[in-house]
Amino acid sequence: LAKTTQPISMDSYEGQEVNITCSHNNIATNDYITWYQQFPSQGPRFIIQGYKTKVTNEVASLFIPADRKSSTLSLPRVSLSDTAVYYCLVMNTGFQKLVFGTGTRLLVSP
Amino acid sequence: GAVVSQHPSWVICKSGTSVKIECRSLDFQATTMFWYRQFPKQSLMLMATSNEGSKATYEQGVEKDKFLINHASLTLSTLTVTSAHPEDSSFYICSARSPLQGSSYNEKLFFGSGTQLSVL
Repeated sequence: LAKTTQPISMDSYEGQEVNITCSHNNIATNDYITWYQQFPSQGPRFIIQGYKTKVTNEVASLFIPADRKSSTLSLPRVSLSDTAVYYCLVMNTGFQKLVFGTGTRLLVSP
Repeated sequence: GAVVSQHPSWVICKSGTSVKIECRSLDFQATTMFWYRQFPKQSLMLMATSNEGSKATYEQGVEKDKFLINHASLTLSTLTVTSAHPEDSSFYICSARSPLQGSSYNEKLFFGSGTQLSVL
């Protein structure tokens, strides 16, 4: 599966929009992108998933350009409770292995 | 969404004893489950892939005789840490791959809440 690269950390303030970009240059045709959120001492939680263009759900948006070599997770109006580690993953149907990258540690301050 | 239940949430044991961690998919059948371990402020490290009815596939450097994985049913996988030592103290997380629904691009991985193992 494609290797992903994300910023190690990001800082933001309450009420701001946060965009976390993930690079996946060698993504394959059948791969899709998934983002997870993890709080300390908890298992990762699914946020959003997409193949191309834009996907939006109640908590986030995912932007994927035409070449699909990167993706951006957008969190609108973050709050303190959004402080967590965010992982970008490239998956494909029937995947037999899923390796996590470093993730992005987001710190939201008052 | 799908739920994966992991037990226990935390366990403290003496060095040399064995500890079993259970991972259950509550509302779907999971033919494939994954086991990860995570050290403080580090990413998840894949330990092994567990397929129902067959032997687990271990990642390089993971001792299969120390970390026994059993996936005897479509809803249950267990990880047994045998003869635990302090260096095995870590956060262990299981996950299950959800079945395909509709589009091919919507398989998801659901995670348990994790087990904090402390070996004294």
